[in-house]
Amino acid sequence: DAGVTQSPTHLIKTRGQQVTLRCSPKSGHDTVSWYQQALGQGPQFIFQYYEEEERQRGNFPDRFSGHQFPNYSSELNVNALLLGDSALYLCASSLDVLAGASGGEQFFGPGTRLTVL
Amino acid sequence: AQKVTQAQTEISVVEKEDVTLDCVYETRDTTYYLFWYKQPPSGELVFLIRRNSFDEQNEISGRYSWNFQKSTSSFNFTITASQVVDSAVYFCALSVAYSGAGSYQLTFGKGTKLSVIP
Repeated sequence: DAGVTQSPTHLIKTRGQQVTLRCSPKSGHDTVSWYQQALGQGPQFIFQYYEEEERQRGNFPDRFSGHQFPNYSSELNVNALLLGDSALYLCASSLDVLAGASGGEQFFGPGTRLTVL
Repeated sequence: AQKVTQAQTEISVVEKEDVTLDCVYETRDTTYYLFWYKQPPSGELVFLIRRNSFDEQNEISGRYSWNFQKSTSSFNFTITASQVVDSAVYFCALSVAYSGAGSYQLTFGKGTKLSVIP
């Protein structure tokens, strides 16, 4: 059973560019959350998608946007990259919290390491 | 707003020693969930435990145990007889109850880096 997968593994961009990160959830999961983890810090919640809609959003600017596809996979887009956007971007998938006892438990992917020069 | 504090930035222990990782949380909600995750060098966060605010029973799973005390807003994690494979960064996280569809929005602490020396 494949877990959460993310691509690419590493990415180097320059300031002002745009980037798209991809996430495939664990089989059977319908909810995808994105987190940003700066070096030496804990992950910070960016937003969450369920049924192809953004359901919750953390304190991130509109430069951060996303999408969820009918197969539940998701993309994270960041426009006008800043040096401070350099981080590990983690995707987590889960079942809807209303799905029962196992609902809400988030499984994380290995992350995409983004470096902005 | 929610906040999680892990005051211990780094801890080193010798193999087979017991170690406790501290977690203190802040929330005004009466219904919430607490989590612990392990992050090995590979970067992938591994789920260890979830606890809801109405369940203060301590839990033991093998060498791992968790002590939840609402009176002190703490959710501490103890590893008994530590092993080299326990070396990782450990994160405590908090989520308030979410009535909509979807999943929890996790607020993480800054993590505690545990090094177990052979």
